Amino acid sequence: AQSVTQLDSQVPVFEEAPVELRCNYSSSVSVYLFWYVQYPNQGLQLLLKYLSGSTLVKGINGFEAEFNKSQTSFHLRKPSVHISDTAEYFCAVSDRVTGGGNKLTFGTGTQLKVEL
Amino acid sequence: DVKVTQSSRYLVKRTGEKVFLECVQDMDHENMFWYRQDPGLGLRLIYFSYDVKMKEKGDIPEGYSVSREKKERFSLILESASTNQTSMYLCASSYGDRSGGAQYFGPGTRLLVL
Repeated sequence: AQSVTQLDSQVPVFEEAPVELRCNYSSSVSVYLFWYVQYPNQGLQLLLKYLSGSTLVKGINGFEAEFNKSQTSFHLRKPSVHISDTAEYFCAVSDRVTGGGNKLTFGTGTQLKVEL
Repeated sequence: DVKVTQSSRYLVKRTGEKVFLECVQDMDHENMFWYRQDPGLGLRLIYFSYDVKMKEKGDIPEGYSVSREKKERFSLILESASTNQTSMYLCASSYGDRSGGAQYFGPGTRLLVL
């Protein structure tokens, strides 16, 4: 069974500052990893995904994430945040063994609040 | 772009009513999913389907049923709505074995049961 831990439920940050949202996972097999963003009263939007290859993955809106297999982490980063990045961010993992086409396990989310 | 649509953004129903939530995707995805999202509990999987007429229970199927008669459409049914089913309902779809299982979400339906 897999699990995902998002260590911070809320992260306040000033505009134009860098931010890192932490995600750790637990799995007995190789995984695919994802970050999603959810703006108020909307569905989840895929930010980026790690399937294979380079461990540094670039996504939309200037976000990137790094897969670290030894630390079982997939932290999300942005070098300079904007007010419009205020949203909830979810990390998710999918099991490669099942072909990755089935269920995702989600973390409980991190609320990013960007302040002026 | 993948598009997942849900029949309603907001819905108000009375206790005991039968409620239908509809989801349609336009990318020929094999898999479809229904989640509910509640503050502090994150996303919880209700049911999913990996093919037409196929369904599997998720983590919290009690009080719900689903129907998938066509590949592009996945319906969630609340047989007799109760106040504890007040929630945000999210539908998602994905390819079977491509894109690592990345799911694409609809805008959500916020259901209030009075």
